[in-house]
Amino acid sequence: DIQMTQSPSSLSASVGDRVTITCRASQSISSYLNWYQQNPGKALKLLIYAASSLQTGVPSRFSGSGSGTDFTLTISSLQPEDFATYYCQQSYNTPWTFGQGTRVEIK
Amino acid sequence: QITLKESGPTLVKPTQTLTLTCTFSGFSLSTSGVGVGWIRQPPGKALEWLALIYWDDDKRYSPSLKSRLTITKDTSKNQVVLTMTNMDPVDTATYYCAHLKWLPSTPYGFDYWGQGTLVTVSS
Repeated sequence: DIQMTQSPSSLSASVGDRVTITCRASQSISSYLNWYQQNPGKALKLLIYAASSLQTGVPSRFSGSGSGTDFTLTISSLQPEDFATYYCQQSYNTPWTFGQGTRVEIK
Repeated sequence: QITLKESGPTLVKPTQTLTLTCTFSGFSLSTSGVGVGWIRQPPGKALEWLALIYWDDDKRYSPSLKSRLTITKDTSKNQVVLTMTNMDPVDTATYYCAHLKWLPSTPYGFDYWGQGTLVTVSS
């Protein structure tokens, strides 16, 4: 199985901050990397697919980059609704695997 | 508008078989490129991919759980069913079904998710 490792596991930030979350795959996954947001009480939300493509309806302050084994999710200016947990997931081959999550908390 | 909703028991006993149903609308599982997956999340833990079924009845399973899982579809009812045998307390989790995002010939994760259903395994 491909292991996905996210860092950090949690971070504290303020509204307006630029936030970066990284995800590393245990082997090359080309650009088959997706990012999700999980807010309590809400359905999981696909933010970024294919490493850097913004899902329809997702604010442009979210962006993704990377290929191969190293990937990044960036939130350019953190908004109150962005305090949530974020997961990366590879869809290069099955079993699809998720990172352990990064919790973004209010500083 | 695509929606998915999971249903099934909230409590099962150890060794029992769990049957979960995902009822969806806004798409058809007989259309090329369509798929539905199941993912679970133990309390306070990360997401775990379980299984995926495609429009052509191709099925994929998590190798670690493959012997216990079966995924089927009923296109006439717009439902996908997941069964998991020999349930154990470690299988306590919220179980989600989700719609596959499909670009030409390539799956890219899940773009619509159900709200999830919490299943507790306890005697």
